[in-house]
Amino acid sequence: DAMVIQNPRYQVTQFGKPVTLSCSQTLNHNVMYWYQQKSSQAPKLLFHYYDKDFNNEADTPDNFQSRRPNTSFCFLDIRSPGLGDAAMYLCATSEPFGGSLEQYFGPGTRLTVT
Amino acid sequence: QKEVEQNSGPLSVPEGAIASLNCTYSDRGSQSFFWYRQYSGKSPELIMFIYSNGDKEDGRFTAQLNKASQYVSLLIRDSQPSDSATYLCAAAGTYKYIFGTGTRLKVLA
Repeated sequence: DAMVIQNPRYQVTQFGKPVTLSCSQTLNHNVMYWYQQKSSQAPKLLFHYYDKDFNNEADTPDNFQSRRPNTSFCFLDIRSPGLGDAAMYLCATSEPFGGSLEQYFGPGTRLTVT
Repeated sequence: QKEVEQNSGPLSVPEGAIASLNCTYSDRGSQSFFWYRQYSGKSPELIMFIYSNGDKEDGRFTAQLNKASQYVSLLIRDSQPSDSATYLCAAAGTYKYIFGTGTRLKVLA
């Protein structure tokens, strides 16, 4: 089945220790998104890729970086995680051409910072 | 600032009743509107999308859109305890989404 996969599902890292979260998709969608979601809050868009074009949200901290080496994979790098970065990180994809723009979410990675 | 507003709830309804969830949006450029269901600790799953004024029905779910009033709603008929979750409303322009904070629905058995 076509899907969005995130690894790991749970990640524990130490304060200040770099961490990388990964996302892959078999949908062949052009657009990939990274969201941060904290408890009882809306998903907050960090950045998205339209194909290879990277689009950073204005309020996304410099501590967060992303890479998309090919259509299928996208990575979220947190260079120096702080306690406030503990959250669920959601990867999503969409296909803006010929579709209804719906986003398909992966299962998320729960990040804990100790 | 572009916003999507939802009542955070909780909205409590008895089993078998109709649950009505509402959402307003500020960006008139929004073209498509989505309802996602999110269980605690899980990722959002798409329930319905709508982009034309009026009603759209899918099983027990009906989405309603009124672009003049910038209002979207979701009706859940014959509510079941398994429908208890947070429902996120989202508005999309081109391919960027604005999410609301969600309404927590409790269906009481």
